[in-house]
Amino acid sequence: SQTIHQWPATLVQPVGSPLSLECTVEGTSNPNLYWYRQAAGRGLQLLFYSVGIGQISSEVPQNLSASRPQDRQFILSSKKLLLSDSGFYLCAWSPPGMFSEKLFFGSGTQLSVL
Amino acid sequence: TQLLEQSPQFLSIQEGENLTVYCNSSSVFSSLQWYRQEPGEGPVLLVTVVTGGEVKKLKRLTFQFGDARKDSSLHITAAQPGDTGLYLCAGPRGGSEKLVFGKGTKLTVNP
Repeated sequence: SQTIHQWPATLVQPVGSPLSLECTVEGTSNPNLYWYRQAAGRGLQLLFYSVGIGQISSEVPQNLSASRPQDRQFILSSKKLLLSDSGFYLCAWSPPGMFSEKLFFGSGTQLSVL
Repeated sequence: TQLLEQSPQFLSIQEGENLTVYCNSSSVFSSLQWYRQEPGEGPVLLVTVVTGGEVKKLKRLTFQFGDARKDSSLHITAAQPGDTGLYLCAGPRGGSEKLVFGKGTKLTVNP
C-alpha cells in the first residue's frame, strides 16, 4: 500500500530564517506531487506541483521554492521566511496519469513565523 | 476564475440529526471531489462525482452532482460525532486540471 510522510508536524521559525519541509511517498512510482498551503478562512491554495523528477511548476509567485531530487521526494524551501508564510502546509500525491484526481494528503506541517 | 462557494461555513448539530451542505459555482465543472479533514490532519478523499445528476452513497453520506454540473451537495443522515470535521469540495479549474478548493464547511456533531 502507498503511504505519504511529511515532517515536521509543527515548526516555529523567526522571520528571515530559512525553511525546509520534506515529503516522501512510499509504495508507488512516478507519482504526481503537490504542495498546498491552507490558511484560516482561505481554503487550500496550490503552491507547486510536479509530474516528474526535476519538473516543478509554480502556481503562486512568492519567496518559496520546491524541488524534487528523487522520484518520491518533494521538498518545500525558503531562504528567508516572511510573517505571511505562516500556515498549514500540506503535501499530497496522486497516481501517475491521474493529475488532480484522487489526491492523498500527508498529515501537514503547521508553520508559525514569528 | 472558477470559484467554489461552500455553505454553510459552520454547522453545529446534535447527534442523530440530518444535514446538507452545499458546493456551488457559476461555472461548469467536469467533476467534483469531496474531502473530509480532521483538525491537524490532511484532507481525505470521500468521493468523486463526474456525471450531471449523479448520486453516490457512502454509508450515511449521500453526494449529488447537479444536472448542470455547477453544484454539488452532501447529505448526512443521522449524524454521529465521528462525522465532525471540515468538508471540502474541489474541482478541476477550467482550461487546466489543477484543482480549486472551496473554503469548506466546518461540521460539529455534538453527542
